[in-house]
Amino acid sequence: AQSVAQPEDQVNVAEGNPLTVKCTYSVSGNPYLFWYVQYPNRGLQFLLKYITGDNLVKGSYGFEAEFNKSQTSFHLKKPSALVSDSALYFCAVSLLYGNNRLAFGKGNQVVVIP
Amino acid sequence: SQTIHQWPATLVQPVGSPLSLECTVEGTSNPNLYWYRQAAGRGLQLLFYSVGIGQISSEVPQNLSASRPQDRQFILSSKKLLLSDSGFYLCAWSGGGRTDTQYFGPGTRLTVL
Repeated sequence: AQSVAQPEDQVNVAEGNPLTVKCTYSVSGNPYLFWYVQYPNRGLQFLLKYITGDNLVKGSYGFEAEFNKSQTSFHLKKPSALVSDSALYFCAVSLLYGNNRLAFGKGNQVVVIP
Repeated sequence: SQTIHQWPATLVQPVGSPLSLECTVEGTSNPNLYWYRQAAGRGLQLLFYSVGIGQISSEVPQNLSASRPQDRQFILSSKKLLLSDSGFYLCAWSGGGRTDTQYFGPGTRLTVL
């Protein structure tokens, strides 16, 4: 079965410190991986995706993610967290025979402490 | 550019009442369309998806139904709401390819009392 796992429920980080949100995947074939962010009572916003090529993917709002095939991971990172980065973050993988359906992780709540 | 709309933004309905949520997409043609529900506690559940007019695939059995009467219109319905139908309903669209991004609407907060 194709899936992603976000092992942490909540990530607390001080403002200005590096932020990492973890995601591991399990897929058959090539993994196509996505990160989304959700602010309270809002829809999900697309941050970035990995399709092929460079393992370091740069996205919106200063976020980047590193694809690691040997560790089957796709961790989201930001060098210096802002209070406004406090939100819910979702990792997702595109299903192999899925009509572009996505399998989402459970989500990670990020709290940036001023 | 493409835009996705959902309405209403919030809805409070009594148990047993009908439901109709609407989603429309602008700026693209023949999109894939998706309905998700997000219960309290964050997880996303795919309810329905559609690859074309009149083509609906259901992911989970429930008292909800979906229809796609026009290319860029996706409707979520119920004849009789249950308490367990409360949640945050999200519509999304994509180009349909496996590497295409899904883009989400602003959501509808449904409370069933």
